Amino acid sequence: GDSVTQMEGPVTLSEEAFLTINCTYTATGYPSLFWYVQYPGEGLQLLLKATKADDKGSNKGFEATYRKETTSFHLEKGSVQVSDSAVYFCALKMDSSYKLIFGSGTRLLVRP
Amino acid sequence: GAGVSQSPSNKVTEKGKDVELRCDPISGHTALYWYRQSLGQGLEFLIYFQGNSAPDKSGLPSDRFSAERTGGSVSTLTIQRTQQEDSAVYLCASSLDISGGSNEQFFGPGTRLTVL
Repeated sequence: GDSVTQMEGPVTLSEEAFLTINCTYTATGYPSLFWYVQYPGEGLQLLLKATKADDKGSNKGFEATYRKETTSFHLEKGSVQVSDSAVYFCALKMDSSYKLIFGSGTRLLVRP
Repeated sequence: GAGVSQSPSNKVTEKGKDVELRCDPISGHTALYWYRQSLGQGLEFLIYFQGNSAPDKSGLPSDRFSAERTGGSVSTLTIQRTQQEDSAVYLCASSLDISGGSNEQFFGPGTRLTVL
């Protein structure tokens, strides 16, 4: 079945470091891809999305590019801040479906 | 406007008791979803509603779980005879509709259920 695989966490970085969180997917077809973020004590929020191959989603300095050839949607940020500390979830959704399929989540801890 | 709200935010119950979890979607959203976030299983889909109808209940983990939605708005997830493995954060989300590949789902803050 369709699935999402994320890199294991936690990821610990110093402030202003470069961030990459890897995400790959398996799907029968061409899904829409999402990154959700869960800040401590809060609900899931959509961070960015891409709906077709080669699309780049971006928000709050984060970017991810939909790569059909490598079935990937890696999350990147050039300079992380302490306030970026959260759990990040990669997810997919097929056009024909109604549910989001999530990866296991990656916890990011940014130290001052 | 108001987002998705869920109540209670925390629920502690004893094994064998029934619990009801409530979700108020964003006004005007016809689609509503329940997910469960647990340590062992990650984030898993449970059930969705289009209006008051739940076309696919196959994600519910057992027949102790049921859900309903009334008036195309509020939804209740009921767990009967709770077990310790039911302990998790139950998340509700809503969207304008289910159609379209990028129809954004807006999530509530969740209900943390602890079964002792």
